[in-house]
Amino acid sequence: TQLLEQSPQFLSIQEGENLTVYCNSSSVFSSLQWYRQEPGEGPVLLVTVVTGGEVKKLKRLTFQFGDARKDSSLHITAAQPGDTGLYLCAGAYSGGSNYKLTFGKGTLLTVNP
Amino acid sequence: EADIYQTPRYLVIGTGKKITLECSQTMGHDKMYWYQQDPGMELHLIHYSYGVNSTEKGDLSSESTVSRIRTEHFPLTLESARPSHTSQYLCASSESPGVYGYTFGSGTRLTVV
Repeated sequence: TQLLEQSPQFLSIQEGENLTVYCNSSSVFSSLQWYRQEPGEGPVLLVTVVTGGEVKKLKRLTFQFGDARKDSSLHITAAQPGDTGLYLCAGAYSGGSNYKLTFGKGTLLTVNP
Repeated sequence: EADIYQTPRYLVIGTGKKITLECSQTMGHDKMYWYQQDPGMELHLIHYSYGVNSTEKGDLSSESTVSRIRTEHFPLTLESARPSHTSQYLCASSESPGVYGYTFGSGTRLTVV
């Protein structure tokens, strides 16, 4: 069974601070995604990365895919209360079924005003 | 604009009752999924389908059942609800998970009393 390890599990910071969330595996991904879930709603896809070393930016969010395609990070600059939510990484494993994603356990982020 | 719909959003029901959670999508996706999630916690896959008349059990054992008679419809049924079934149930669909990710519904928050 492939596992996606996310860290930290919980993160509480003040508005304006920077933060990084990590997603790691011992297996190689063919692609990796990040989702954000707000309380009472379903997760929403933020980004998909497919190439080793790839960096994508979405306003204050920066996503990086590791060179070996086994890990990824999400960096938020100058966090705002609206960034509060559960951040989930999900991967489609290279050589595995591309019909089903494997999800990490998530990072619960709270940004205090 | 959400293209995957779950009803009801909230349900409070007595022990022993039979319930059906509805999930419909208008995107023509072949692949559909049901997840169970406690607030702020990880997603647990309970059922999935790769097309009409195809259903499989997920990683988390569940007493629920599903059917896929039409592409757009993937209902989940509990024959006899118990308090241990209290949770949020999320439905998702995808054309190609590794490329486009999942589109999630807003979820059904189930409480069994």
